[in-house]
Amino acid sequence: DQQVKQNSPSLSVQEGRISILNCDYTNSMFDYFLWYKKYPAEGPTFLISISSIKDKNEDGRFTVFLNKSAKHLSLHIVPSQPGDSAVYFCAASDFGNEKLTFGTGTRLTIIP
Amino acid sequence: EAGVTQFPSHSVIEKGQTVTLRCDPISGHDNLYWYRRVMGKEIKFLLHFVKESKQDESGMPNNRFLAERTGGTYSTLKVQPAELEDSGVYFCASSPGTSGDTQYFGPGTRLTVL
Repeated sequence: DQQVKQNSPSLSVQEGRISILNCDYTNSMFDYFLWYKKYPAEGPTFLISISSIKDKNEDGRFTVFLNKSAKHLSLHIVPSQPGDSAVYFCAASDFGNEKLTFGTGTRLTIIP
Repeated sequence: EAGVTQFPSHSVIEKGQTVTLRCDPISGHDNLYWYRRVMGKEIKFLLHFVKESKQDESGMPNNRFLAERTGGTYSTLKVQPAELEDSGVYFCASSPGTSGDTQYFGPGTRLTVL
């Protein structure tokens, strides 16, 4: 049973526009959410996170939104750049448990 | 500062053979994790060490998998005997020591079992 779901396997966005990646979760015990970015032949790299006590966290071009009632989070990248082309993984944990539960990833392609 | 390193980067073995994967965490990181990604699916947790102790091994698939962390430094993950379904990319990650610390991932070892 997948507790973190990324229903879009791929997404293409024009350079300079906004990229929106979505993630849903089912486990109400999750209270910490993260986005990781992965290039081919490399390990995932931490991008941004959000605690369940917040509904928004921003870091430069990246913003994560959390809707706890809908058990949904999204990552906004604006403006999108060619270097943003990668696979993005949503992950979640609960603070008493260090392990991360990942989604299946969304491949983002930025079109120049 | 050196990142998490993993060896080998790629291993091809036959069903029934033994393979040992190695992970060197970032120096000073007490927490070490193993994850696995099978055939484009989600990245799944295998186990978590705090220093040399196994904190959580709830994700280990079966007793063919054995993980060790010698002296709280590097870790090895042995698969014996390997089965076809063990194929995938095995990632190691480490974090300093406080709950909620960012986990830093290595590049992974791609294991192919024929």
